[in-house]
Amino acid sequence: SQQGEEDPQALSIQEGENATMNCSYKTSINNLQWYRQNSGRGLVHLILIRSNEREKHSGRLRVTLDTSKKSSSLLITASRAADTASYFCATDAGSGAGSYQLTFGKGTKLSVIP
Amino acid sequence: DTGVSQDPRHKITKRGQNVTFRCDPISEHNRLYWYRQTLGQGPEFLTYFQNEAQLEKSRLLSDRFSAERPKGSFSTLEIQRTEQGDSAMYLCASSPTSDEKLFFGSGTQLSVL
Repeated sequence: SQQGEEDPQALSIQEGENATMNCSYKTSINNLQWYRQNSGRGLVHLILIRSNEREKHSGRLRVTLDTSKKSSSLLITASRAADTASYFCATDAGSGAGSYQLTFGKGTKLSVIP
Repeated sequence: DTGVSQDPRHKITKRGQNVTFRCDPISEHNRLYWYRQTLGQGPEFLTYFQNEAQLEKSRLLSDRFSAERPKGSFSTLEIQRTEQGDSAMYLCASSPTSDEKLFFGSGTQLSVL
């Protein structure tokens, strides 16, 4: 079953604009991760935010986490055509140290128009 | 290239046949994971190895699915008596014990006719 749900399912923006994707989840988590997937390829890890963190930055990426609302957002600033991909949030709700069973959402399909 | 390698990239088989996929993780990674992804969905966890020990296999979809990692290096995922519903992308990922992020391979796309 899917733990996370991304919103929107699809997003189309012009190059240079910002893209915001949201993720909601159901249970308590150790961390939340965002991954990117180009069509027909494997997933690439983008950023991880722990349950005791509220915001994290990496380059043009900004992730927020609100554990009280069980939600996260991913902001991509100054988007480029190369950012066109599907973006997934994944939650780690395991009791042990380190993730071993990530639960992924259905993803947001981002299209950046040159 | 020292990334996660999966073979084959594509597999077409007839219903009822057995198929086996191979995954070679990043060499220093002792954790290895198998996920399945169907069209329009996110990856779904199947099973996980720490070195050669299969620590979680309750999420394998049925007893037709099995996975091995005999020497703690490469892993194989076998599906016996394939069904059309098994058509999906099978993804392998690896990670070191000290890291919570996963490194994914490009996947094996299975089509069952």
